[in-house]
Amino acid sequence: AQSVSQHNHHVILSEAASLELGCNYSYGGTVNLFWYVQYPGQHLQLLLKYFSGDPLVKGIKGFEAEFIKSKFSFNLRKPSVQWSDTAEYFCAVNGQGTYKYIFGTGTRLKVLA
Amino acid sequence: GAGVSQSPSNKVTEKGKDVELRCDPISGHTALYWYRQRLGQGLEFLIYFQGNSAPDKSGLPSDRFSAERTGESVSTLTIQRTQQEDSAVYLCASRKSRVGLYNEQFFGPGTRLTVL
Repeated sequence: AQSVSQHNHHVILSEAASLELGCNYSYGGTVNLFWYVQYPGQHLQLLLKYFSGDPLVKGIKGFEAEFIKSKFSFNLRKPSVQWSDTAEYFCAVNGQGTYKYIFGTGTRLKVLA
Repeated sequence: GAGVSQSPSNKVTEKGKDVELRCDPISGHTALYWYRQRLGQGLEFLIYFQGNSAPDKSGLPSDRFSAERTGESVSTLTIQRTQQEDSAVYLCASRKSRVGLYNEQFFGPGTRLTVL
């Protein structure tokens, strides 16, 4: 079955701490991978995406993610979080050449000032 | 330019009533999606429209749910005889074209539906 698993549902960090949010997927085929972020009171917006090429992808606001094909993972990282990174983060997968996206259940990140 | 807009932002209704939710996609975006997000859960695909092609309705949870879209413009999601389990945030997203590289979905702010 096609699925996306985000292991951490709630994460609390202090400012300047490093962040890694896990994302694993199950999909029979070549995939595109995404991280979306939803800041409090705002829309879901794209943080970064992987389609092909360099498996280390850099996104907005200092975020990056690494696609490890052998582990079916696409973990999100940031070396030093800020209070403004408090948000909910969603991992998503889309089979190349298809239109459906499968989303994880999200991880709520709270950064303490 | 303008993003995806949805209305109403909040809707409280009584069990058994019908509700209609509206989505205005980004101009020129041919693809439009509806998702449901229940509390603590991920986005659940409901329906997909692509231009004038027949929509993919495979995600609609029951025949109480229906959606329409005229061409590449506004879409409405209708829920008839609402039930308490329909309470959720309903999200709309649009995308520039059919499938292809570098296409991303742009999301609206959602409609929070509460069925009493």
